[in-house]
Amino acid sequence: GGIITQTPKFLIGQEGQKLTLKCQQNFNHDTMYWYRQDSGKGLRLIYYSITENDLQKGDLSEGYDASREKKSSFSLTVTSAQKNEMAVFLCASSPTGGRGQDTQYFGPGTRLLVL
Amino acid sequence: AQSVTQPDARVTVSEGASLQLRCKYSYFGTPYLFWYVQYPRQGLQLLLKYYPGDPVVQGVNGFEAEFSKSNSSFHLRKASVHWSDWAVYFCAVLSNYNVLYFGSGTKLTVEP
Repeated sequence: GGIITQTPKFLIGQEGQKLTLKCQQNFNHDTMYWYRQDSGKGLRLIYYSITENDLQKGDLSEGYDASREKKSSFSLTVTSAQKNEMAVFLCASSPTGGRGQDTQYFGPGTRLLVL
Repeated sequence: AQSVTQPDARVTVSEGASLQLRCKYSYFGTPYLFWYVQYPRQGLQLLLKYYPGDPVVQGVNGFEAEFSKSNSSFHLRKASVHWSDWAVYFCAVLSNYNVLYFGSGTKLTVEP
């Protein structure tokens, strides 16, 4: 088994601030993902990475940067926090072996509040 | 383009009653489908997944789902709900690029 760790658990920021969220996995999975979860809207993909130093944009990438410097870690940066923004950011990882090898495992999330 | 619709934002059932959570998908071709559950303040956990084959898929904790190509559906069922099933349930479809597209979720409340 393995685990996904997300830091911090809670993040309070100011409008316009740059904020960084971190994710670590010890599954030795190739692919990692960042999702944003808003109440009533499900999960939307921000970025994903199929190997270290690879980045692929999801549907919600505008306003975010990502970094995958090591296989085990994947960071997400909110480039300019929006006032009154409130969301949960979920990190996930999966092995890469084609379709059928693609169960995603999720971390507990980082809860963001922008004042 | 692929998408998932969960038409029921909230479902309430009595403990011991049966459950069905609805999921409709849109996908060109044969879909790979998933149900995930999110317990309060936790990440998502996989309940079950459908790969082409038997349309009825068994999952953990007594959950099962049935794939229907004609109805573009993948409904989740459980014969007898327990209070510990109180959670949010997400249906998802896998894209050709191995990216999951999620529905908006169904919040299940279990009454005593």
